[in-house]
Amino acid sequence: DAMVIQNPRYQVTQFGKPVTLSCSQTLNHNVMYWYQQKSSQAPKLLFHYYDKDFNNEADTPDNFQSRRPNTSFCFLDIRSPGLGDAAMYLCATSRDRQGGETQYFGPGTRLLVL
Amino acid sequence: DQQVKQNSPSLSVQEGRISILNCDYTNSMFDYFLWYKKYPAEGPTFLISISSIKDKNEDGRFTVFLNKSAKHLSLHIVPSQPGDSAVYFCAASPLSYNKLIFGAGTRLAVHP
Repeated sequence: DAMVIQNPRYQVTQFGKPVTLSCSQTLNHNVMYWYQQKSSQAPKLLFHYYDKDFNNEADTPDNFQSRRPNTSFCFLDIRSPGLGDAAMYLCATSRDRQGGETQYFGPGTRLLVL
Repeated sequence: DQQVKQNSPSLSVQEGRISILNCDYTNSMFDYFLWYKKYPAEGPTFLISISSIKDKNEDGRFTVFLNKSAKHLSLHIVPSQPGDSAVYFCAASPLSYNKLIFGAGTRLAVHP
């Protein structure tokens, strides 16, 4: 089955220690997104890639970066995690990026910062 | 500033009855409205959508209604089944850019 895979499912890191979350897709979609969801809150878009074109949301902290080395993989790097960065991180894909395109989500990575 | 609001964090419904989940939005520039369903330990999955030029879209037991003048949409599930128990997210996006603005979700419990 075509799908969006996120690894690891749970990640524990220390305050200030860089961490990388991984997402891969077998859908061959052009667009990959990263969302942050804090407890009982709405998922919030951090950035997206349209092919190799990176698009950052205006309110995404500089602490968050992303890489997309090829169509299938996308990484979320948190350079210096703070306690406030503990959240569920959701990766999603879509075929194209105009409004109305269905986004397909992975199961998420829950990040805990100690 | 929450542009999409789901004011009911939870809803409990008896099996076989109708479930009605509500969502309000503030931005009149939204062109698409979507409902996603999320089970524990899984990512959100797309359920049903509606564009701003329509006021109703139906897919089996699921119907979404859009009231643009009130900036309100609702999801009706008829009849409700225990397998429908999940968190339901309302989301909206403009035509030009597939950025989903989510509500905080409503947890639906369907009991026998």
